Amino acid sequence: EPEVTQTPSHQVTQMGQEVILRCVPISNHLYFYWYRQILGQKVEFLVSFYNNEISEKSEIFDDQFSVERPDGSNFTLKIRSTKLEDSAMYFCASSEDQGVGKLFFGSGTQLSVL
Amino acid sequence: AQSVTQLDSHVSVSEGTPVLLRCNYSSSYSPSLFWYVQHPNKGLQLLLKYTSAATLVKGINGFEAEFKKSETSFHLTKPSAHMSDAAEYFCVVSPFSGGYNKLIFGAGTRLAVHP
Repeated sequence: EPEVTQTPSHQVTQMGQEVILRCVPISNHLYFYWYRQILGQKVEFLVSFYNNEISEKSEIFDDQFSVERPDGSNFTLKIRSTKLEDSAMYFCASSEDQGVGKLFFGSGTQLSVL
Repeated sequence: AQSVTQLDSHVSVSEGTPVLLRCNYSSSYSPSLFWYVQHPNKGLQLLLKYTSAATLVKGINGFEAEFKKSETSFHLTKPSAHMSDAAEYFCVVSPFSGGYNKLIFGAGTRLAVHP
């Protein structure tokens, strides 16, 4: 079964540093998403991406965050200057269409900001 | 605003006994509701979804859920638990009948299955 692949599984960084979280969505999918889960809190939507532009973003997704599809296979989330509160599990997801709930999630990248 | 409340953070059952994971929702629209499961070191996997068709929804691995509008509930059940069912389960609502998958998650219920 096709999978969404995320790398790395764990990332440790110093506060103020830039990080890039990488995702390889399922190959024929056109819609891409990032969610995150801070320890002890709910999984929350960050951003959706289609046709090389952001479709929707949450209030969490401020100017420190950006997303990109640099080539035909990768989808990245960049945090420009990390803060302690960015420590979380970040999930990438993709879907073939806009049909509700047809998301396939990766296993996540655990980001720890020190 | 849409939300889901999972009534139990942890549920423990014995293998072979029924599973009940409870979820209540709040939505001003006719909601689309889902259950996702996350096994250790795995991605979130869709178990089942309700999108205004039949109120009893069957999913993978023998799970099912019933949409009850009068009770604003969408509880997940399975007649007989298996050791492999041990995982975290998320009740999820989508605020749109067709849109951008801006899913709203519950806090999760960790299911433990004992031999």
